Amino acid sequence: GAVVSQHPSWVICKSGTSVKIECRSLDFQATTMFWYRQFPKQSLMLMATSNEGSKATYEQGVEKDKFLINHASLTLSTLTVTSAHPEDSSFYICSARVGVGQPQHFGDGTRLSIL
Amino acid sequence: GNSVTQMEGPVTLSEEAFLTINCTYTATGYPSLFWYVQYPGEGLQLLLKATKADDKGSNKGFEATYRKETTSFHLEKGSVQVSDSAVYFCALGVTEGGSYIPTFGRGTSLIVHP
Repeated sequence: GAVVSQHPSWVICKSGTSVKIECRSLDFQATTMFWYRQFPKQSLMLMATSNEGSKATYEQGVEKDKFLINHASLTLSTLTVTSAHPEDSSFYICSARVGVGQPQHFGDGTRLSIL
Repeated sequence: GNSVTQMEGPVTLSEEAFLTINCTYTATGYPSLFWYVQYPGEGLQLLLKATKADDKGSNKGFEATYRKETTSFHLEKGSVQVSDSAVYFCALGVTEGGSYIPTFGRGTSLIVHP
């Protein structure tokens, strides 16, 4: 149980394109999901906390207008990288928790490459 | 604020060697502690967890004990295999003001040679 599915796994697109990444909890409901960006040499940066039915909570330094997060249902959160540029190329990972006191379960990540 | 510090890698070992990856933390409140593993090109998988002091998390031969007095959660395995080669993340989670706040270490790369 507790499977998180992330799609797409890999996307390559031109500079200026907007890209949407989906994160789904397949067998549980998640009122809260998390979006991370992973930089080279492994470090994992929390970008935002996605809350179902309300606005996302962004970490300091993350551009809200650049990284749009929508959590329309208890099983789906989306991250849209708007007008992507090469510096946005990275590995983006989402996670969700089953409930209070439970660990995060992660999607397999999305490799975003902007040409 | 909250923080997690783990030893820098890469850690390079021969198969069947003993593994220790150190992790210490600072946290406001009473955190839950986790170890996650990331294989190349994949997301993170929960390896083990501990939610209170002196709890020992274990899975797949890996163990870690929640040490409140030393604010540590070191990962150990008695005999590593080549298939254990991956990046290991120590993490904590606290609930503050009704919101869950996760914090990750920078990750430690483990390379196991045959």
